[in-house]
Amino acid sequence: TQLLEQSPQFLSIQEGENLTVYCNSSSVFSSLQWYRQEPGEGPVLLVTVVTGGEVKKLKRLTFQFGDARKDSSLHITAAQPGDTGLYLCAGAIQGGSEKLVFGKGTKLTVNP
Amino acid sequence: GAVVSQHPSWVICKSGTSVKIECRSLDFQATTMFWYRQFPKQSLMLMATSNEGSKATYEQGVEKDKFLINHASLTLSTLTVTSAHPEDSSFYICSANREDQPQHFGDGTRLSIL
Repeated sequence: TQLLEQSPQFLSIQEGENLTVYCNSSSVFSSLQWYRQEPGEGPVLLVTVVTGGEVKKLKRLTFQFGDARKDSSLHITAAQPGDTGLYLCAGAIQGGSEKLVFGKGTKLTVNP
Repeated sequence: GAVVSQHPSWVICKSGTSVKIECRSLDFQATTMFWYRQFPKQSLMLMATSNEGSKATYEQGVEKDKFLINHASLTLSTLTVTSAHPEDSSFYICSANREDQPQHFGDGTRLSIL
C-alpha cells in the first residue's frame, strides 16, 4: 500500500506569517499534485510537479518536489486570510495507472 | 470554468433507496474517470477507476455490488449507491483525466441517508 503522509494536519496562524506543509512517502511517484479544497466543493488543482528537485512558484506559494520524487513541500509566504482552506497533496502512482494517492490534508486557518 | 460537472450536488433520501450520481466531462473526452469518497474531516479515498466501455476497477474493500459504476460514453460516468444505508452517507467526488494532464475534479455530491 502506497501511503502519503501529510503534516501538519491542522495549522492556525496569524496573517503575515510563513508556513510549510510537508508530504512524505517511501514510494516514488511519477508526479505529485497539490490541491486546495473548500468545504462542500471538489479539490482545485494548484500545481503539478514532475521532475525530481523541481521548484514551482505560484504567487506566494512555493512548491518543491524532492530529488527522489518521494516527498514534496508547500511553502506559503506572508499568509493571508484568503489562504484559509484544506490543502491536499496527491501522488500519481508509477506504472501508468493514473491513480492518485491522497495525503490526509492540512487544514489551514489564517487569522486576520 | 468547470471542466467536470457532477450531479446532483446534494441528495437526501431514506434508507434502502438507490441513488445515482452523474459525472460529466464538459469539453473533453475522458476515457478514465475516478470515483472518490470523503468522510468529514478526512481526505479523499479512491473507490474505483471507471473505464469507458469496460468494467470498473474497484479498490480493495469497496463492494462492487454496492457501488455500481457505468461509463457508457467518453463524457459520462455514473455511480449508483444501491440500497443505501446511513453509513453510506458521505461526500462523493468524481474526477476525469484529460490526456497527459492532471485530474480535474467535480464539485462533489453530498449524500445523506436518513
